[in-house]
Amino acid sequence: DGGITQSPKYLFRKEGQNVTLSCEQNLNHDAMYWYRQDPGQGLRLIYYSQIVNDFQKGDIAEGYSVSREKKESFPLTVTSAQKNPTAFYLCASSTMRGSDTQYFGPGTRLTVL
Amino acid sequence: KNEVEQSPQNLTAQEGEFITINCSYSVGISALHWLQQHPGGGIVSLFMLSSGKKKHGRLIATINIQEKHSSLHITASHPRDSAVYICAVKGGATNKLIFGTGTLLAVQP
Repeated sequence: DGGITQSPKYLFRKEGQNVTLSCEQNLNHDAMYWYRQDPGQGLRLIYYSQIVNDFQKGDIAEGYSVSREKKESFPLTVTSAQKNPTAFYLCASSTMRGSDTQYFGPGTRLTVL
Repeated sequence: KNEVEQSPQNLTAQEGEFITINCSYSVGISALHWLQQHPGGGIVSLFMLSSGKKKHGRLIATINIQEKHSSLHITASHPRDSAVYICAVKGGATNKLIFGTGTLLAVQP
């Protein structure tokens, strides 16, 4: 079945450690996105990529990094520079057609201890 | 002030009730999305609309472009409808979405 997978579902890390969240899609979508969700706030865009080997900062990119070496993969690294990394992280993908919706993965809940 | 505002923030209904969730936005948009997020966290797209009205099963979404307002209606609500409903708008020529904070709906049997 086509879709988006994120792993792991729950992730615990010690403060000061970098951690990488996985996002894979087999929908043949060109565009991929990373969002952060905090209680009481709407989803906020961290990074997005419209094509392989290219990506753009979103609204809250500080303390995060991404890569897009393959069309189907868009991993997110939460670095030690991110001051409040504990959150729910969602990955999404879409075609580049403006008329298409975004498809979301199941999310990864990151807790930094 | 957020660019996308939803009301109410929390809603409790009895099974069978007609439910309305509202979304107002302050930016120019090319499309508006209604999304559903279940307690496990996964998000499902319910509707994408740029004008008029769409219906899928017991769900109806409407949009008034002039008033910059959209509503999501649920007819004959059921406990399995309990979720967070999120409004998001797509502005201009980009695929970037601006999200509301969501409406937490609890339907009691």
